[in-house]
Amino acid sequence: DSGVTQTPKHLITATGQRVTLRCSPRSGDLSVYWYQQSLDQGLQFLIQYYNGEERAKGNILERFSAQQFPDLHSELNLSSLELGDSALYFCASSVLQGTPANTGELFFGEGSRLTVL
Amino acid sequence: GENVEQHPSTLSVQEGDSAVIKCTYSDSASNYFPWYKQELGKRPQLIIDIRSNVGEKKDQRIAVTLNKTAKHFSLHITETQPEDSAVYFCAARGYSTLTFGKGTMLLVSP
Repeated sequence: DSGVTQTPKHLITATGQRVTLRCSPRSGDLSVYWYQQSLDQGLQFLIQYYNGEERAKGNILERFSAQQFPDLHSELNLSSLELGDSALYFCASSVLQGTPANTGELFFGEGSRLTVL
Repeated sequence: GENVEQHPSTLSVQEGDSAVIKCTYSDSASNYFPWYKQELGKRPQLIIDIRSNVGEKKDQRIAVTLNKTAKHFSLHITETQPEDSAVYFCAARGYSTLTFGKGTMLLVSP
C-alpha cells in the first residue's frame, strides 16, 4: 500500500459526460501529480500541484481541469468525454516540490480506470 | 519539453539470463533518472534511481548506468526470475516535471 488513495477505482460513463476523479496523497506529501496511462502511450503527464498551487502542466486537454484543495487532496475533472479518454488515470504524490533541485520518488495510487462508451 | 525514448518495447529472456533496457533523453538539464516497475494490474513502483552526479548505481540484481554526454541511461537486471516479469518505465526529470518512456514489457520464462 503506497498510502495514496484514489476513487473511484472503476468508472463507466457515456460520451459527452463529465466525471471527477479524486486523490488523497500520502500523509505529509505536498505534491500531487496526475498521469494518464493508455495502452500504447505509457504514462502521460497531465498536471502537478504543490501545496495547492499548480506547479507544472503537461499535455492536458482543455476539457480536463484539476485542483488541489487546502487539505491537499486533489481532483481531476474530465468533461465532454470522448471514447479516446478511456484510460487508467494515476495520481502520485511526493513530499518534495518536484523542482530540478528537489525531486524524488513518486508514490502512485492504484489508479482510476475510466471507460467511455 | 523533455522527451524520453525507451527500447525495446518488449523483451523476452530465459530465467537466469540478463536483461538490459535502454533509454535516451533530450533535455541536457535533466538531473534525475528513476526506473519504475509495473506489474500487471498494479501501480508503478520505484525500483532504482540515479542522479546526474553519479555514473552507476547497484541494488542487488539491478543496476542503472548513466551517460550524461550521450544522454542515455540503462537498466540492467541480472539472474532474472519469473517474478521480474512486468512493464518497466524509465523517466527523466527535465525542467518542468518527470517524463516517462513508453515502457518495456519484460517476460521471463522459467
